Amino acid sequence: DIVMTQSPSSLAVSAGETVTINCKSSQSLFGSVRQKNYLAWYQQKPGQSPKLLIYLASTRESGVPDRFIGSGSGTDFTLTISSVQAEDLANYYCQQYYDTPNTFGAGTKLELK
Amino acid sequence: EVKLQQSGDELVRPGASVKISCKASGYTFTSYSMHWVKQRPGQGLEWIGAIIPIIDTTEYNQKFKGKATLTADKSSNTANMELSRLTSEDSAVYYCARPGSFNYGSPFAYWGQGTLVTVSS
Repeated sequence: DIVMTQSPSSLAVSAGETVTINCKSSQSLFGSVRQKNYLAWYQQKPGQSPKLLIYLASTRESGVPDRFIGSGSGTDFTLTISSVQAEDLANYYCQQYYDTPNTFGAGTKLELK
Repeated sequence: EVKLQQSGDELVRPGASVKISCKASGYTFTSYSMHWVKQRPGQGLEWIGAIIPIIDTTEYNQKFKGKATLTADKSSNTANMELSRLTSEDSAVYYCARPGSFNYGSPFAYWGQGTLVTVSS
């Protein structure tokens, strides 16, 4: 199975700050046929289901604010949230869908400083 | 509007089985795979497996083989997951989730609200 390692596990921020969450996969998620990275990011607020934010490493899902930016390729990926808002406080998970079983990172909890 | 409506929370005895349902609406049920994800309290997400309703084909995470059984009822647009021989390790929220595109290996754009299964005597 592909292991997804996320860091940090938690992050305390103030509103307006820019934050970076890292995700590293145990093997490359780059597909040579479509020339894409099969990496997604989800946001999960307490008591809610996960919400898809980013797919193909850098494509924002419809309706997701442009302060959420995904980047990276191969085995190293980043989710950047610029100018964090109070509504962004949540858990964030990366997921690889390059191969089954799909696997998720352990999550990053974004908290208010 | 795509909706995935899951059945209610369950309290079950150790050793018993439980069946969770996920009723889909707002799209053609047979056109997309349906996946199931486990989340233990305060923990991360684990992919259990998936079913392709149009051909009734299933794929399981090796970890959940023998534990979970996925089925789909095309007449009612409902996906089901049965969990057997329950232990405390099975206490979790279980989600059904649908990919955003027809491709089987796509991220999950739609999620059910989750079903909490509590295993306790």
